[in-house]
Amino acid sequence: DQQVKQNSPSLSVQEGRISILNCDYTNSMFDYFLWYKKYPAEGPTFLISISSIKDKNEDGRFTVFLNKSAKHLSLHIVPSQPGDSAVYFCAASSNFGNEKLTFGTGTRLTIIP
Amino acid sequence: DVKVTQSSRYLVKRTGEKVFLECVQDMDHENMFWYRQDPGLGLRLIYFSYDVKMKEKGDIPEGYSVSREKKERFSLILESASTNQTSMYLCASGTVGLRTDTQYFGPGTRLTVL
Repeated sequence: DQQVKQNSPSLSVQEGRISILNCDYTNSMFDYFLWYKKYPAEGPTFLISISSIKDKNEDGRFTVFLNKSAKHLSLHIVPSQPGDSAVYFCAASSNFGNEKLTFGTGTRLTIIP
Repeated sequence: DVKVTQSSRYLVKRTGEKVFLECVQDMDHENMFWYRQDPGLGLRLIYFSYDVKMKEKGDIPEGYSVSREKKERFSLILESASTNQTSMYLCASGTVGLRTDTQYFGPGTRLTVL
């Protein structure tokens, strides 16, 4: 039972344009959401997070939007750069989960120069 | 800078062998985690630990065990390796109480079971 879903396995975006990665979840107990970025042969690295008390969090070129009613979050990257090419995982946790994260299946983002 | 290291980047083992994957973190984190990453399945939690000698099953613990004798070290054990355990194994560590839930990952071990 996949509680966190990323329905797009891959996405290609032109350099300089906006990249939008989507994530849906089913567990209404999730109250904290994170995005991780993973390059080949490296472990995932934390990118940005958002608490359920907010609907938007911004950090430089990266913005995460949360729509609780739709159980949907998205990561916007503006402008997209070649170094953004990687696999992106969304993850979620609940206050009762003791910092246990549930990850999505990942989206491979390719930035076309 | 948080550092999580894993004992091997690549490992090839035969079916039935006992396999040890070691993970060490240098940030005095209470929590440590073992995941496996497979195409189309994302990261799936195998086991985690909140403290020395404490362990909890994750989503896919079957065929695995863990050991945490020291705070900085968390070992994943495949008692009798099987071909369906061929995967990328990722270790992570994190703190408790801050409600940031950020985990720091090691570089991964690519395990092939023949």
